[in-house]
Amino acid sequence: QITLKESGPTLVKPTQTLTLTCTFSGFSLSTLQVAVGWIRQPPGKALEWLTHIYGNDDKYYSLSLKSRLSITKDTSKNQVVLTMTNLDPMDTATYYCGHLTVPGYYYDSWGQGTLVTVSS
Amino acid sequence: DIQVTQSPSSLSASVGDRVTITCRASQSISTYLHWYQQKPGKAPNLLIYSASTLQSGVPSRFSGSGSGTDFTLTISSLQPEDFATYYCLQTYSSLMYTFGQGTKLEIK
Repeated sequence: QITLKESGPTLVKPTQTLTLTCTFSGFSLSTLQVAVGWIRQPPGKALEWLTHIYGNDDKYYSLSLKSRLSITKDTSKNQVVLTMTNLDPMDTATYYCGHLTVPGYYYDSWGQGTLVTVSS
Repeated sequence: DIQVTQSPSSLSASVGDRVTITCRASQSISTYLHWYQQKPGKAPNLLIYSASTLQSGVPSRFSGSGSGTDFTLTISSLQPEDFATYYCLQTYSSLMYTFGQGTKLEIK
């Protein structure tokens, strides 16, 4: 059974850097056939894909946020870390991590999400 | 970027109705289109992947079709638990995945 769980701060000040951790179980992020990604959802709005990382360390980023995002993995800890710089109140959202299945390239398991509020 | 236009943005229907939600991609995405259901305060739940394959455990009243640029999600007979928001997701372009804007399905 695949499980994922997001963790990190719930309140961040504008211009600060956000670091979120996705801790997962039920699979190993060590091959090209699997990836872990991040998706966010501002309150009352649609889902937005941010980034994902494959087991071979290939990384992909949203074109609109690429300059502010970084994703890394720690295979030994079964963790994926998202870093987002220069936060703005518009970055207030629930942040989800998800397991991406290859082939097919769809997120079949998601964490419960963590709400991050950007406010001074 | 590949744009995905989902319609309608909201829909009112009754239990037992047949409903259809559409996603249109700005270019051909083969069958790299997936459907999710999201209930308030919960993470999205995968319903259909690769345009038409029912995810394990999802009721058979859900079905998907399409390829290329036009895709549909159909619920054959609405049940009370189906009232939720539905999203499509294209994953054809590894450089940029895109969700549709969502369809909120409400009880009439």
